[in-house]
Amino acid sequence: GAVVSQHPSWVICKSGTSVKIECRSLDFQATTMFWYRQFPKQSLMLMATSNEGSKATYEQGVEKDKFLINHASLTLSTLTVTSAHPEDSSFYICSASQGALDEQYFGPGTRLTVT
Amino acid sequence: AQSVTQPDIHITVSEGASLELRCNYSYGATPYLFWYVQSPGQGLQLLLKYFSGDTLVQGIKGFEAEFKRSQSSFNLRKPSVHWSDAAEYFCAVGESKVDAGNMLTFGGGTRLMVKP
Repeated sequence: GAVVSQHPSWVICKSGTSVKIECRSLDFQATTMFWYRQFPKQSLMLMATSNEGSKATYEQGVEKDKFLINHASLTLSTLTVTSAHPEDSSFYICSASQGALDEQYFGPGTRLTVT
Repeated sequence: AQSVTQPDIHITVSEGASLELRCNYSYGATPYLFWYVQSPGQGLQLLLKYFSGDTLVQGIKGFEAEFKRSQSSFNLRKPSVHWSDAAEYFCAVGESKVDAGNMLTFGGGTRLMVKP
């Protein structure tokens, strides 16, 4: 149980285009979903937290207009990187949680390369 | 604000040897503590967690961790390392927030290499 999927697993896009990453909880309803960014050989940095039906809460320094997060249902959250630039190339990982005391279940990650 | 320190960036051990990965945290209240493992290009897999109760926690793949409040530590141990244990290990502290789930702060990670 508690499986989280991400799609796509990797994507290459041209500078200036937008790319959408999906995060799905496959066998449970996720009240809260989290989006992380991980640079090579570094730790995970929380980008934003989203609750179903509410606007996402972004961490300091994360541009909400650039990283659009939608959590329209209890099983799906999307991260859209708008007007992507090479410096946005990174490994993006989502996680999902069923509630305040529940652990986070992590997706397999999406590697984004912007050329 | 909470923080997590993993003092060792890299550790190399021989296969069959014992392992201890260090983790120190800073948190005002009783922490929720986690250890995750990440293989290259993959997401995170939970090894074990501590919420309350017995301070020695057993996890998957033969790992265990001990919560020591007096030392603000949650070190991960394994008595005999296997080559397949080579990966990146992350310690994390969780903070439960209303309407925000259990928010995690990660340490910098320790890369484990296993010599044959």
